[in-house]
Amino acid sequence: EIVLTQSPTTMAASPGEKVTLTCRASSSVSYMHWYQQRSGTSPKLWIYETSKLASGVPNRFSGSGSGTSYSLTINSMETEDAATYYCQQGSSYPHTFGAGTKLELK
Amino acid sequence: EVQLVESGGGLVQPGRSLKLSCAASGFTFSNYYMAWVRQAPKKGLEWVATISTSGSRTYYPDSVKGRFTISRDNAKSSLYLQMNSLKSEDTATYYCARDRDSYAQDVSFDYWGQGVMVTVSS
Repeated sequence: EIVLTQSPTTMAASPGEKVTLTCRASSSVSYMHWYQQRSGTSPKLWIYETSKLASGVPNRFSGSGSGTSYSLTINSMETEDAATYYCQQGSSYPHTFGAGTKLELK
Repeated sequence: EVQLVESGGGLVQPGRSLKLSCAASGFTFSNYYMAWVRQAPKKGLEWVATISTSGSRTYYPDSVKGRFTISRDNAKSSLYLQMNSLKSEDTATYYCARDRDSYAQDVSFDYWGQGVMVTVSS
């Protein structure tokens, strides 16, 4: 099983601040996918295949990485970006998720 | 508009069974792999099961293998999860999710239902 480790667990960012979330895999994966989950709602696909933005995702978001190290970056934090972000690998079974990074507004 | 609507959740005693349903609309259901993903209270996401377009192939993590069975009825655009021998650690919100591209080598989930709560407790 591929274990995904996200860091930090929790962080706070001010409006306009650049934010970077990381996800490390215990073994190499082909791609990383990211989901946004706001409190009390279902997860939403946010970035797929490492760097492709899902429909409706603002272009201040970007994704990068390869092998075992991946990241999600917000170029300029906005209020609506406060949420928990999960990474997920779909390269092999069992599909696994990271434990999530809770991003709060400072 | 793609919609996934789960039903069938509730309170169940340990060792008993429960069957969840997911009604799909807004897309050609038979063209997509489908999955169940769960989230225990205040916890992260855990993939639970995946089924192929025809239903001939199913996949599970070890945590539910042998206890849970995923199935589908393409004529009814419906997905199911039969859960047997339920344990307290199965308590979670269960989401129905669509595989973004059933022909892609890598799996991601592009649409999710609103979720249904399953509580396993005596």
